Amino acid sequence: AAGVIQSPRHLIKEKRETATLKCYPIPRHDTVYWYQQGPGQDPQFLISFYEKMQSDKGSIPDRFSAQQFSDYHSELNMSSLELGDSALYFCASSSSGQGKDTQYFGPGTRLTVL
Amino acid sequence: KNQVEQSPQSLIILEGKNCTLQCNYTVSPFSNLRWYKQDTGRGPVSLTIMTFSENTKSNGRYTATLDADTKQSSLHITASQLSDSASYICVVNQDTDKLIFGTGTRLQVFP
Repeated sequence: AAGVIQSPRHLIKEKRETATLKCYPIPRHDTVYWYQQGPGQDPQFLISFYEKMQSDKGSIPDRFSAQQFSDYHSELNMSSLELGDSALYFCASSSSGQGKDTQYFGPGTRLTVL
Repeated sequence: KNQVEQSPQSLIILEGKNCTLQCNYTVSPFSNLRWYKQDTGRGPVSLTIMTFSENTKSNGRYTATLDADTKQSSLHITASQLSDSASYICVVNQDTDKLIFGTGTRLQVFP
């Protein structure tokens, strides 16, 4: 079965640069979630989208923005990168028909800011 | 194929009762296995982390077991409380940058 796809898997950027992470949900899933996991920390919820509209917002910095496109894929845009942005970024998707509690996580994108 | 499968998909128990959630994995190589609790609309919170050599780890009313030979893990919740209602996710760490998530067990505790 198809899973959540994230790209790139690894990304290295310098301070003050921008980065774009992509997430392709499982087919027919209409909800996408973004999480940030720092070293030794639990994943922190950033933001979620349902049917291309922002549905919930967590601890996402103002320097970050995200959107969900008509094909339901989502992009997380990160500007003015800081060293502290180095983390694993997970995307999860779910189907509103199954309920928001069943989230399927992608493999993550490792962002390193130098 | 590296997979993490959890059962049951959902579970309803009465407050005060015990329950056990299962996780089977086919991930290789294996670094560690984590159990997370995720409340709706929040990020996952780590309950236990076990390496290959550990077969039991407790965190309050939560006790996780790991059988690395059969590639099975369980999470036992004792004397359940209403606040235990959440999704419980099993995550296998293949290496530093590769976490493979199960789809979770949705637990509901009724009074």
